[in-house]
Amino acid sequence: VRVQESGPGLVKPSETLSLTCAVSDVSISSDNWWNWVRQSPGKGPQWLGEVWHGGRTNYNPSLQSRLTISVDKSQNHFYLVLTNVTAADTATYFCARRIRGVYFFDPWGPGTLVTVSS
Amino acid sequence: EIVLTQSPGTLSLSPGERATLSCRASQSVSASLLAWYQQRPGQPPTLLIYSASTRDTGIPDRFSGSGSGTDFTLTIRRLEPEDFAVYYCLLYDNSPMYTFGQGTKLEMK
Repeated sequence: VRVQESGPGLVKPSETLSLTCAVSDVSISSDNWWNWVRQSPGKGPQWLGEVWHGGRTNYNPSLQSRLTISVDKSQNHFYLVLTNVTAADTATYFCARRIRGVYFFDPWGPGTLVTVSS
Repeated sequence: EIVLTQSPGTLSLSPGERATLSCRASQSVSASLLAWYQQRPGQPPTLLIYSASTRDTGIPDRFSGSGSGTDFTLTIRRLEPEDFAVYYCLLYDNSPMYTFGQGTKLEMK
Protein backbone atom coordinates (compact mmCIF):
# COMPACT_ATOMS: atom_id res chain seq x y z
CA VAL A 1 0.00 0.00 0.00
CA ARG A 2 1.26 3.45 -0.88
CA VAL A 3 -0.29 6.84 -0.23
CA GLN A 4 0.85 10.18 -1.60
CA GLU A 5 -0.35 13.68 -0.77
CA SER A 6 -0.62 16.57 -3.22
CA GLY A 7 -1.89 20.12 -3.09
CA PRO A 8 -0.87 23.78 -2.99
CA GLY A 9 2.04 24.71 -0.81
CA LEU A 10 0.68 28.17 -0.05
CA VAL A 11 -2.82 29.25 0.96
CA LYS A 12 -3.97 32.73 1.95
CA PRO A 13 -5.61 33.38 5.33
CA SER A 14 -9.41 32.96 5.33
CA GLU A 15 -9.25 30.83 2.16
CA THR A 16 -9.86 27.10 1.73
CA LEU A 17 -7.16 24.41 1.80
CA SER A 18 -7.73 21.41 -0.45
CA LEU A 19 -5.49 18.34 -0.48
CA THR A 20 -5.60 15.05 -2.36
CA CYS A 21 -4.25 11.68 -1.27
CA ALA A 22 -3.62 9.15 -4.03
CA VAL A 23 -3.85 5.53 -2.92
CA SER A 24 -1.83 2.91 -4.80
CA ASP A 25 -1.58 -0.88 -4.76
CA VAL A 26 -4.88 -1.35 -2.93
CA SER A 27 -8.45 -0.42 -3.69
CA ILE A 28 -9.76 2.48 -1.67
CA SER A 29 -12.87 0.33 -1.27
CA SER A 30 -10.92 -2.26 0.71
CA ASP A 31 -11.23 -2.84 4.46
CA ASN A 32 -9.49 0.37 5.44
CA TRP A 33 -10.14 3.80 6.89
CA TRP A 34 -8.31 6.66 5.17
CA ASN A 35 -6.85 9.30 7.44
CA TRP A 36 -5.39 12.78 7.53
CA VAL A 37 -2.84 13.83 10.15
CA ARG A 38 -0.95 17.11 10.35
CA GLN A 39 2.16 18.26 12.14
CA SER A 40 3.03 21.87 12.83
CA PRO A 41 6.72 22.74 12.80
CA GLY A 42 8.41 21.41 15.93
CA LYS A 43 5.19 19.87 17.32
CA GLY A 44 3.71 16.41 17.69
CA PRO A 45 1.27 15.07 15.09
CA GLN A 46 -2.44 15.94 15.28
CA TRP A 47 -5.10 13.58 13.96
CA LEU A 48 -7.60 15.41 11.75
CA GLY A 49 -10.08 12.79 10.64
CA GLU A 50 -10.82 9.68 8.59
CA VAL A 51 -13.16 8.42 5.91
CA TRP A 52 -14.52 5.00 4.96
CA HIS A 53 -15.08 4.22 1.28
CA GLY A 54 -18.82 4.28 1.90
CA GLY A 55 -18.54 7.91 2.95
CA ARG A 56 -18.75 7.55 6.73
CA THR A 57 -16.40 9.97 8.49
CA ASN A 58 -14.92 10.64 11.92
CA TYR A 59 -13.44 14.04 12.72
CA ASN A 60 -11.32 15.66 15.39
CA PRO A 61 -13.90 17.71 17.33
CA SER A 62 -11.57 20.73 17.41
CA LEU A 63 -11.70 21.00 13.61
CA GLN A 64 -15.05 19.46 12.77
CA SER A 65 -16.75 22.74 11.88
CA ARG A 66 -14.13 23.55 9.20
CA LEU A 67 -13.15 20.10 7.94
CA THR A 68 -14.52 17.79 5.27
CA ILE A 69 -12.93 14.49 4.26
CA SER A 70 -14.30 12.64 1.27
CA VAL A 71 -13.45 9.79 -1.07
CA ASP A 72 -13.57 9.26 -4.84
CA LYS A 73 -13.65 5.54 -5.54
CA SER A 74 -13.31 6.02 -9.29
CA GLN A 75 -9.99 7.82 -8.82
CA ASN A 76 -8.80 5.77 -5.81
CA HIS A 77 -8.25 9.12 -4.07
CA PHE A 78 -9.44 10.74 -0.90
CA TYR A 79 -9.53 14.40 -0.04
CA LEU A 80 -9.24 16.99 2.71
CA VAL A 81 -10.96 20.36 2.60
CA LEU A 82 -10.27 22.83 5.43
CA THR A 83 -12.08 26.15 5.30
CA ASN A 84 -11.25 29.59 6.69
CA VAL A 85 -7.59 28.80 7.32
CA THR A 86 -5.30 30.81 9.56
CA ALA A 87 -1.57 30.77 10.28
CA ALA A 88 -2.27 28.11 12.91
CA ASP A 89 -3.11 25.72 10.07
CA THR A 90 0.44 25.93 8.71
CA ALA A 91 1.74 22.37 8.93
CA THR A 92 2.92 19.31 7.08
CA TYR A 93 -0.16 17.31 6.15
CA PHE A 94 0.07 13.53 5.94
CA CYS A 95 -2.38 10.97 4.66
CA ALA A 96 -2.31 7.47 6.10
CA ARG A 97 -4.16 4.15 6.10
CA ARG A 98 -5.79 2.52 9.11
CA ILE A 99 -6.92 -1.06 8.70
CA ARG A 100 -10.42 -1.60 10.05
CA GLY A 101 -10.30 -3.02 13.55
CA VAL A 102 -6.81 -1.78 14.39
CA TYR A 103 -5.91 1.49 16.03
CA PHE A 104 -2.79 2.82 14.37
CA PHE A 105 -1.86 4.37 11.04
CA ASP A 106 0.40 2.60 8.58
CA PRO A 107 1.67 3.44 6.05
CA TRP A 108 1.93 7.21 5.89
CA GLY A 109 2.59 9.37 2.87
CA PRO A 110 5.74 11.51 2.76
CA GLY A 111 3.71 14.60 3.68
CA THR A 112 3.11 17.95 2.03
CA LEU A 113 3.96 21.27 3.65
CA VAL A 114 1.17 23.83 3.57
CA THR A 115 1.92 27.41 4.58
CA VAL A 116 -0.86 29.85 5.34
CA SER A 117 0.33 33.34 4.54
CA SER A 118 -0.72 36.39 2.57
CA GLU B 1 -10.45 13.84 25.87
CA ILE B 2 -7.60 11.68 27.13
CA VAL B 3 -4.27 13.49 27.39
CA LEU B 4 -0.98 11.69 26.76
CA THR B 5 2.14 12.95 28.52
CA GLN B 6 5.52 11.71 27.33
CA SER B 7 8.65 11.94 29.41
CA PRO B 8 11.36 12.95 29.34
CA GLY B 9 11.09 15.65 26.70
CA THR B 10 14.69 15.02 25.66
CA LEU B 11 16.86 12.02 26.47
CA SER B 12 20.63 12.22 25.91
CA LEU B 13 22.35 8.86 25.63
CA SER B 14 25.25 7.19 23.86
CA PRO B 15 25.17 4.34 21.34
CA GLY B 16 25.07 1.01 23.13
CA GLU B 17 23.11 2.39 26.10
CA ARG B 18 19.53 1.55 27.00
CA ALA B 19 16.70 4.06 26.48
CA THR B 20 13.49 4.08 28.48
CA LEU B 21 10.70 6.35 27.23
CA SER B 22 7.44 6.90 29.10
CA CYS B 23 3.91 7.64 27.91
CA ARG B 24 1.30 8.34 30.59
CA ALA B 25 -2.44 8.62 29.89
CA SER B 26 -4.71 10.89 31.92
CA GLN B 27 -7.05 7.95 32.54
CA SER B 28 -6.84 4.21 32.31
CA VAL B 29 -6.89 2.86 28.76
CA SER B 30 -6.79 -0.49 27.05
CA ALA B 31 -3.28 -1.52 26.05
CA SER B 32 -4.67 -2.69 22.70
CA LEU B 33 -5.21 0.97 21.75
CA LEU B 34 -1.65 2.25 22.33
CA ALA B 35 1.03 2.48 19.62
CA TRP B 36 4.56 3.89 19.34
CA TYR B 37 6.16 5.67 16.38
CA GLN B 38 9.64 6.81 15.45
CA GLN B 39 10.13 9.96 13.39
CA ARG B 40 13.37 11.03 11.77
CA PRO B 41 13.81 14.61 10.47
CA GLY B 42 11.93 15.26 7.26
CA GLN B 43 10.22 11.86 7.35
CA PRO B 44 6.73 10.71 8.30
CA PRO B 45 6.34 8.74 11.53
CA THR B 46 7.14 5.04 11.24
CA LEU B 47 5.19 2.43 13.22
CA LEU B 48 7.30 0.57 15.78
CA ILE B 49 4.90 -1.01 18.26
CA TYR B 50 1.12 -1.51 18.38
CA SER B 51 -1.16 -2.88 21.07
CA ALA B 52 1.44 -1.55 23.52
CA SER B 53 3.83 -4.47 23.07
CA THR B 54 3.63 -5.98 19.55
CA ARG B 55 6.50 -5.07 17.25
CA ASP B 56 5.54 -4.20 13.69
CA THR B 57 6.99 -6.34 10.91
CA GLY B 58 10.69 -5.70 10.40
CA ILE B 59 11.24 -3.78 13.63
CA PRO B 60 14.41 -4.98 15.40
CA ASP B 61 13.94 -6.84 18.66
CA ARG B 62 15.98 -4.22 20.54
CA PHE B 63 12.69 -2.25 20.54
CA SER B 64 10.12 -3.40 23.09
CA GLY B 65 6.92 -1.98 24.51
CA SER B 66 5.19 -2.63 27.79
CA GLY B 67 2.64 -1.22 30.18
CA SER B 68 -1.00 -1.15 31.14
CA GLY B 69 -3.61 1.14 32.62
CA THR B 70 -2.15 4.63 32.48
CA ASP B 71 1.58 3.92 32.17
CA PHE B 72 3.31 2.67 29.05
CA THR B 73 7.00 2.32 28.22
CA LEU B 74 9.09 2.02 25.07
CA THR B 75 12.48 0.48 25.72
CA ILE B 76 15.37 0.46 23.25
CA ARG B 77 18.24 -1.70 24.41
CA ARG B 78 21.71 -1.20 22.96
CA LEU B 79 21.06 2.03 21.04
CA GLU B 80 22.23 2.13 17.44
CA PRO B 81 23.12 5.44 15.69
CA GLU B 82 19.96 5.26 13.57
CA ASP B 83 17.77 5.13 16.71
CA PHE B 84 18.38 8.78 17.54
CA ALA B 85 15.09 10.39 16.54
CA VAL B 86 11.81 11.60 18.02
CA TYR B 87 9.38 9.04 19.45
CA TYR B 88 5.61 9.49 19.80
CA CYS B 89 2.93 7.44 21.46
CA LEU B 90 -0.54 7.30 19.92
CA LEU B 91 -3.80 6.43 21.65
CA TYR B 92 -7.28 5.73 20.33
CA ASP B 93 -10.28 6.50 22.51
CA ASN B 94 -13.84 5.61 21.71
CA SER B 95 -15.04 9.14 20.88
CA PRO B 96 -13.64 8.23 18.26
CA MET B 97 -10.51 10.30 18.62
CA TYR B 98 -6.80 9.69 18.14
CA THR B 99 -4.29 11.52 20.32
CA PHE B 100 -0.51 11.71 20.00
CA GLY B 101 1.86 12.47 22.83
CA GLN B 102 4.08 15.53 22.49
CA GLY B 103 7.12 13.37 21.81
CA THR B 104 10.46 12.41 23.32
CA LYS B 105 13.59 13.48 21.45
CA LEU B 106 16.32 10.88 21.78
CA GLU B 107 19.62 12.64 21.12
CA MET B 108 23.16 11.41 21.00
CA LYS B 109 25.30 12.43 23.93
